[in-house]
Amino acid sequence: DTEVTQTPKHLVMGMTNKKSLKCEQHMGHRAMYWYKQKAKKPPELMFVYSYEKLSINESVPSRFSPECPNSSLLNLHLHALQPEDSALYLCASSQAGGKLFFGSGTQLSVL
Amino acid sequence: GQQVMQIPQYQHVQEGEDFTTYCNSSTTLSNIQWYKQRPGGHPVFLIQLVKSGEVKKQKRLTFQFGEAKKNSSLHITATQTTDVGTYFCAGPLLWGDDKIIFGKGTRLHILP
Repeated sequence: DTEVTQTPKHLVMGMTNKKSLKCEQHMGHRAMYWYKQKAKKPPELMFVYSYEKLSINESVPSRFSPECPNSSLLNLHLHALQPEDSALYLCASSQAGGKLFFGSGTQLSVL
Repeated sequence: GQQVMQIPQYQHVQEGEDFTTYCNSSTTLSNIQWYKQRPGGHPVFLIQLVKSGEVKKQKRLTFQFGEAKKNSSLHITATQTTDVGTYFCAGPLLWGDDKIIFGKGTRLHILP
């Protein structure tokens, strides 16, 4: 199984809502990532978990809260988002410094 | 901080013409990776280059890693409509580093 599965594929939320994005991989990869991608821009790194511990936080606002319940799962909890947070949120996994396997992403719209 | 620059930003070519995108880093990279993202899709890994001066080929695609490990290129020979998409280079600063930074990408459009 070489897939990274992300749910939901699309999400529309208000600025007062709380929602969560979910990501799952079964490749035994030790590192899991959240990237944010705006239209016509490159993926922008948000968080990295290594062996289920948060290893990189790229100064992301606290309204984004990552969680890694186990080695296969990665969540991104969203609260009090702003319209400018609308973007494609990509999950990825990899071994050390190796190729990234991306999920198909969650297209998020904040109204 | 480290930056990965990529040019050109856009490229329009006639089907059958060749295409090249270039990637430059402000610092030495332990390795460089190339990804392709189709319109409406997600980035898909193409290749990883590790050694100084390395050249790898995948059918019509040729990838090069510079001698100083600061630059790389992707060349597509005789483009086809299936080559449409955005090509990103990406790399970690240090070997084994999980912080993988992407270049701005080159969007390839094929004219039939």
